[in-house]
Amino acid sequence: EAQVTQNPRYLITVTGKKLTVTCSQNMNHEYMSWYRQDPGLGLRQIYYSMNVEVTDKGDVPEGYKVSRKEKRNFPLILESPSPNQTSLYFCASSWAAGQGKDEQFFGPGTRLTVL
Amino acid sequence: AQSVAQPEDQVNVAEGNPLTVKCTYSVSGNPYLFWYVQYPNRGLQFLLKYITGDNLVKGSYGFEAEFNKSQTSFHLKKPSALVSDSALYFCAVRDKAGTYKYIFGTGTRLKVLA
Repeated sequence: EAQVTQNPRYLITVTGKKLTVTCSQNMNHEYMSWYRQDPGLGLRQIYYSMNVEVTDKGDVPEGYKVSRKEKRNFPLILESPSPNQTSLYFCASSWAAGQGKDEQFFGPGTRLTVL
Repeated sequence: AQSVAQPEDQVNVAEGNPLTVKCTYSVSGNPYLFWYVQYPNRGLQFLLKYITGDNLVKGSYGFEAEFNKSQTSFHLKKPSALVSDSALYFCAVRDKAGTYKYIFGTGTRLKVLA
């Protein structure tokens, strides 16, 4: 089944404790992206990747890191989480943007709470 | 800079009535426009997109959207609403000629009343 998977689905952590949220897709998509969803703010793009080893900032990259060493994986790293990073996070993937097949497939979400 | 506005936080409509969820956008060039839907406790699902061509775009579950360049709008419509259409709807835009960055609206909650 074609899908985007994220782990963990739920995470409660404390300020400053480094964490990684994994994202994997099995559709051979070139484009992958991370978003956060907050009430009243909708979805905001954190980082995106056009292909392996190619990443770029979205609208809210501060406090986050990403890497794209393999096509299927795009982990989101919070080196020193803070309470304002408490949010619902979504990973998404699509065929290469600009080729007319760029509707995104979203993962199920990761609910992160930073105390 | 790109931006998307969804002016209504919530839209209520009776089952069987037509529905409209509004979206306006701003991009520097020609836009790629998308609608996504989020059902409770689920990720987002793609509904439809406008890239080029006909201004009326048809998508999943009987939804359609009308691209209006002069009004910079891309409103989502359905002729006859179902209770199962109740969900959170997001409009999104990407600048065709710019970066591959997406801007999403704040979302509109649609409630279809039986």
